[in-house]
Amino acid sequence: DAKTTQPNSMESNEEEPVHLPCNHSTISGTDYIHWYRQLPSQGPEYVIHGLTSNVNNRMASLAIAEDRKSSTLILHRATLRDAAVYYCILRDDSGGSNYKLTFGKGTLLTVNP
Amino acid sequence: NAGVTQTPKFRILKIGQSMTLQCTQDMNHNYMYWYRQDPGMGLKLIYYSVGAGITDKGEVPNGYNVSRSTTEDFPLRLELAAPSQTSVYFCASSRDRSSNQPQHFGDGTRLSIL
Repeated sequence: DAKTTQPNSMESNEEEPVHLPCNHSTISGTDYIHWYRQLPSQGPEYVIHGLTSNVNNRMASLAIAEDRKSSTLILHRATLRDAAVYYCILRDDSGGSNYKLTFGKGTLLTVNP
Repeated sequence: NAGVTQTPKFRILKIGQSMTLQCTQDMNHNYMYWYRQDPGMGLKLIYYSVGAGITDKGEVPNGYNVSRSTTEDFPLRLELAAPSQTSVYFCASSRDRSSNQPQHFGDGTRLSIL
């Protein structure tokens, strides 16, 4: 999987929007951009994924830059339950290693009440 | 919405003991995975399965065994527990291996070996 770069930590206030950035300058044309999060003492949780177009689901929105070298996970109204480590991952179908998810250090999101 | 269920949630073992970590999913997913996550570290793939009766090694299979007799269940067995196996174990499943498919995780089993 190609490399991604995320800030180590971010802070937000409750009920405010949060924009979590991810840089992936070496992304290939077939890489999907996935976001997962891991709440304290819980398993990783799938959030959203996309290829080229922006995506929305009940949890979040994913904004993908036109050149696909960066993306932003948007939480529209942060809640205390959104405090977690957020991981941006690139996945493609090539090679034999695409079974596993490779998490980097991610971004630790703190939500202030 | 059960998803992926792991049992037990916590366990303490003595060195040399054996145990089985249970994992079951109700999404009819073909692919299932076992990961371990050491403190402050990322996930490491132990074993995976592409369907009932088919399993294969991941990055760190030594000291573990798996079986997949049904689509739903994918137990992980530790035969001779060692302190190096102290970790949090996560089971996951996905519909298939394509990069367009997310993996869904259980809440983990926290295992300490003393």
